[in-house]
Amino acid sequence: EVQLVESGGGLVQPGGSLRLSCAASGFTFRTYAMTWVRRAPGKGLEWVSAISGDGAYTYYTDSVKGRFTTSRDNAKNTLYLQMNSLRAEDTALYYCAKNAMDGQAYYDYWGQGTAVTVSS
Amino acid sequence: EIVLTQSPGTLSLSPGERATLSCRASQSVSSNYLAWYQQKPGQAPRLLIYGASTRATGIPDRFSGSGSGTDFTLTISRLEPEDFAVYFCQQYVGSPPITFGQGTRLEIK
Repeated sequence: EVQLVESGGGLVQPGGSLRLSCAASGFTFRTYAMTWVRRAPGKGLEWVSAISGDGAYTYYTDSVKGRFTTSRDNAKNTLYLQMNSLRAEDTALYYCAKNAMDGQAYYDYWGQGTAVTVSS
Repeated sequence: EIVLTQSPGTLSLSPGERATLSCRASQSVSSNYLAWYQQKPGQAPRLLIYGASTRATGIPDRFSGSGSGTDFTLTISRLEPEDFAVYFCQQYVGSPPITFGQGTRLEIK
């Protein structure tokens, strides 16, 4: 059974940092690209970042470029999102998602999310 | 960047009725790289449809997707109580950025 479990969210002041983790199990982690998607309160889903299976390629939405870094440890089956210089508009529930088996960028499994609140 | 616009914003229907949700793209979604997700409060999104019309594993056949180019539709043929949720479309053409529609809330009338 595929499982994705996020952790690391919390309350942080503007300008602060957080590191989110996503522990994966039930599939060959290194084979699949992984993605971070967020949902701000009262808003829709927003694609944040993606990383290739081998970690060689990373992609970011414009609003987080230069502030967020996605990485992965395939030996630990874990995905990470390092978030620096956090802003109020980064407040959201952050989901990790597994890219589909056919290699396309839709998401067949999602975690339950971890909440990030940026506030003074 | 492809912008997806979903309509209506909110759809009020009764169990047993048919639901038709629309997703319109600002430019053609090549290869019909369009997916639909369902999200209930407190739950993760659930993949329903990919490739515009292919049901994901375990999705009941009352859910169907159709469309091509810039206009796509998710149809729920006979609403069950558990179908009342928010639905998002997503395009995955080429490289990022990937984009989602703003969502349609399906509520019980």
